[in-house]
Amino acid sequence: SQTIHQWPATLVQPVGSPLSLECTVEGTSNPNLYWYRQAAGRGLQLLFYSVGIGQISSEVPQNLSASRPQDRQFILSSKKLLLSDSGFYLCAWGDKPYGYTFGSGTRLTVV
Amino acid sequence: QQQVKQSPQSLIVQKGGISIINCAYENTAFDYFPWYQQFPGKGPALLIAIRPDVSEKKEGRFTISFNKSAKQFSLHIMDSQPGDSATYFCAASKYRNTGKLIFGQGTTLQVKP
Repeated sequence: SQTIHQWPATLVQPVGSPLSLECTVEGTSNPNLYWYRQAAGRGLQLLFYSVGIGQISSEVPQNLSASRPQDRQFILSSKKLLLSDSGFYLCAWGDKPYGYTFGSGTRLTVV
Repeated sequence: QQQVKQSPQSLIVQKGGISIINCAYENTAFDYFPWYQQFPGKGPALLIAIRPDVSEKKEGRFTISFNKSAKQFSLHIMDSQPGDSATYFCAASKYRNTGKLIFGQGTTLQVKP
């Protein structure tokens, strides 16, 4: 069966520090992968999506970047975090025709 | 054109009642409409989904009603239970495209015992 792993679960980082969040998928090949951010009490904002290795599409200009170094690995990064980067970050993979499967999320607090 | 508008923002229902959440979209190219359920601190989980070739889909206590001409769809939760208390998101996508989902803003449902 397919599973998605996301870590860490929580993270507290100072302003100006770098960020690296990792997401891996098991049990499938060439999945569509997505990074979403959810601000407190708000909806899901699509940040990046990838349809294959090295293929990244950015949805919102921001202080973040994404990479897909391997078929089932998706990484969200920042060189210098801002306070506004705080939020709940969710990785998902597209599982047609069943929609998305989300990871368990990373709660990022920038202090 | 890419937006999905969801209402209400929050909803309080008595146990046993019917919960109704509505969504509207503008892009007629959307052809896949799922609903997700999210509990605090967890990722959203797919609840039920519909394609525009049907007007209604039912799974247990959960029903999606779809009105293609009005570009609206809704989630009905029958016999609502306290365990249904969660945030619900509607979404839409162009299924045969990248599959990327555009989400509504979410509805926080509280079912009172």
